[in-house]
Amino acid sequence: AQTVTQSQPEMSVQEAETVTLSCTYDTSESDYYLFWYKQPPSRQMILVIRQEAYKQQNATENRFSVNFQKAAKSFSLKISDSQLGDAAMYFCAYRSPDSGTYKYIFGTGTRLKVLA
Amino acid sequence: GAVVSQHPSRVICKSGTSVKIECRSLDFQATTMFWYRQFPKQSLMLMATSNEGSKATYEQGVEKDKFLINHASLTLSTLTVTSAHPEDSSFYICSASQDGWGDYGYTFGSGTRLTVV
Repeated sequence: AQTVTQSQPEMSVQEAETVTLSCTYDTSESDYYLFWYKQPPSRQMILVIRQEAYKQQNATENRFSVNFQKAAKSFSLKISDSQLGDAAMYFCAYRSPDSGTYKYIFGTGTRLKVLA
Repeated sequence: GAVVSQHPSRVICKSGTSVKIECRSLDFQATTMFWYRQFPKQSLMLMATSNEGSKATYEQGVEKDKFLINHASLTLSTLTVTSAHPEDSSFYICSASQDGWGDYGYTFGSGTRLTVV
């Protein structure tokens, strides 16, 4: 069974600085999808970025980018120029391409604090 | 973009009563929706997969008679917590995908905070 691990329960970053959140996963599949979701205090889950495993190029969305290391089964999120609004829980998620399994497997989350 | 509306956002009910939570896809059809439960400062725990026109698929350990799921149309799934007890107090979230498979991510509802007194 697939598992997703986020080893950093909490991280802090100074405003305007860069922070990297870690995520590792375990799977025997070769093709899958990975996502980072943000959950601010409102608790609304917001998609931050997605990565398709068959693509070697790391995904980028404005200040957010990933370091996808397929062999190492690592999927870290880098937030550049951190802003106060980035403070939230961040969840890494794995989705199998199996047509019978569309569900996500979530990591335990990392709480990001942004210091002014 | 895809929008999922969840209602109510907060509900307080007495122990022993039932509560219904609605999840609607506003601008797309969703053959599959997911229901999660989230305890404070914890991750989302998948409860069940809601399939339009058929029975829901429940995760191991989730009581299907306690958490009734109905997906009667392509835009509406409901979760009914029956005979609620204080231990059912939690944050419940639904999600759906515009493409049906979640390849581009799932859209989440804003959640329902259930308090059973």
